[in-house]
Amino acid sequence: DVKVTQSSRYLVKRTGEKVFLECVQDMDHENMFWYRQDPGLGLRLIYFSYDVKMKEKGDIPEGYSVSREKKERFSLILESASTNQTSMYLCASSGGQGAFGAFFGQGTRLTVV
Amino acid sequence: KNQVEQSPQSLIILEGKNCTLQCNYTVSPFSNLRWYKQDTGRGPVSLTIMTFSENTKSNGRYTATLDADTKQSSLHITASQLSDSASYICVVSGGSSYKLIFGSGTRLLVRP
Repeated sequence: DVKVTQSSRYLVKRTGEKVFLECVQDMDHENMFWYRQDPGLGLRLIYFSYDVKMKEKGDIPEGYSVSREKKERFSLILESASTNQTSMYLCASSGGQGAFGAFFGQGTRLTVV
Repeated sequence: KNQVEQSPQSLIILEGKNCTLQCNYTVSPFSNLRWYKQDTGRGPVSLTIMTFSENTKSNGRYTATLDADTKQSSLHITASQLSDSASYICVVSGGSSYKLIFGSGTRLLVRP
């Protein structure tokens, strides 16, 4: 079974802190994604990466950056956390050009106070 | 514009009953369509994946259908159980795009 693992299930951070969310997949997938999910808004794409060191902005990249130094690991960085970044963050990975859909991690519930 | 629309937004059924969830999409070109189940506070888990040439696929009590001509899919749940209470999300993958197009989901509540 494909495994996509996010480093934390729950996280509480203070406004202005730098926050790292880590995601690791074990299926040698080329593509990795970071989404946030908010009530009434569904899943929105923040960033995605189709290869090591490659990244593309999604629909809502403002306030976020990403890092993909190794194929299996994709990190989401909140440079200076704000309360409006309180959300559920989901990491996903897929092989090829999305040919088999995506596999999701268990989610990280981030609260910024 | 690539879009995925799901209906109904929410649904309440009694345990043991069947239900059908709908997904209409305008994504082109089309690669595949997946149905996910998402329990509250958890990540989505894949139920079925269907490509252009497939029109029915089952996974236990879940049966998905796809009509690529009308760009419609449905997810049928048979003999519902309390554990089926969750959000069901339809996701379409475009042919040459790395992006996935998400529906807003159907929230299902199964009552005893």
